[in-house]
Amino acid sequence: AQSVTQPDIHITVSEGASLELRCNYSYGATPYLFWYVQSPGQGLQLLLKYFSGDTLVQGIKGFEAEFKRSQSSFNLRKPSVHWSDAAEYFCAVGYNAGGTSYGKLTFGQGTILTVHP
Amino acid sequence: DVKVTQSSRYLVKRTGEKVFLECVQDMDHENMFWYRQDPGLGLRLIYFSYDVKMKEKGDIPEGYSVSREKKERFSLILESASTNQTSMYLCASRIGGASSEQYFGPGTRLTVT
Repeated sequence: AQSVTQPDIHITVSEGASLELRCNYSYGATPYLFWYVQSPGQGLQLLLKYFSGDTLVQGIKGFEAEFKRSQSSFNLRKPSVHWSDAAEYFCAVGYNAGGTSYGKLTFGQGTILTVHP
Repeated sequence: DVKVTQSSRYLVKRTGEKVFLECVQDMDHENMFWYRQDPGLGLRLIYFSYDVKMKEKGDIPEGYSVSREKKERFSLILESASTNQTSMYLCASRIGGASSEQYFGPGTRLTVT
């Protein structure tokens, strides 16, 4: 069965510092991988996704993620964090359920990012 | 822009009440989803619908049912609310398959007392 693990529940960084959020997945086939962000009181917004091609993907707000098949990882990075990046971040793996085309997502537990001025 | 709206941001209900959570999307998406979000557990899929009147159970369907009579509207029903259903409920919609983006509503925070 597919699963997603985000090992860090809470990360604190200083504004301007670099950021890496970890995501490990378990899935038998080539996964569709997503990072979503949830700002306080908001729904989830897609940051970026990977489903084929270049393993380094660029997203919105200056984020990028690298797919590493050998490590079953899809870590999210940003070179310089802004105070407005404080939010909760979710990694997710997309798959087709039970041989159908009804694609579903399995989410990780989430990582809360706090940014200190 | 895709817009997914949910009928209430906050809802307080009593144990045993029947609760309806409504979700509407304005982009003609075939697929709609209901999740619940709990701290430390991420989002868990309750039900999803791939067409009008069609539904599939997700990972935690117990205690819930759904209705999709029109393409743009997907309702989550708690037949008899219980305190362990206190949670944040998120609706999402999507066009296409597993590689496509899901668009989320702002969520409904339900408290059952």
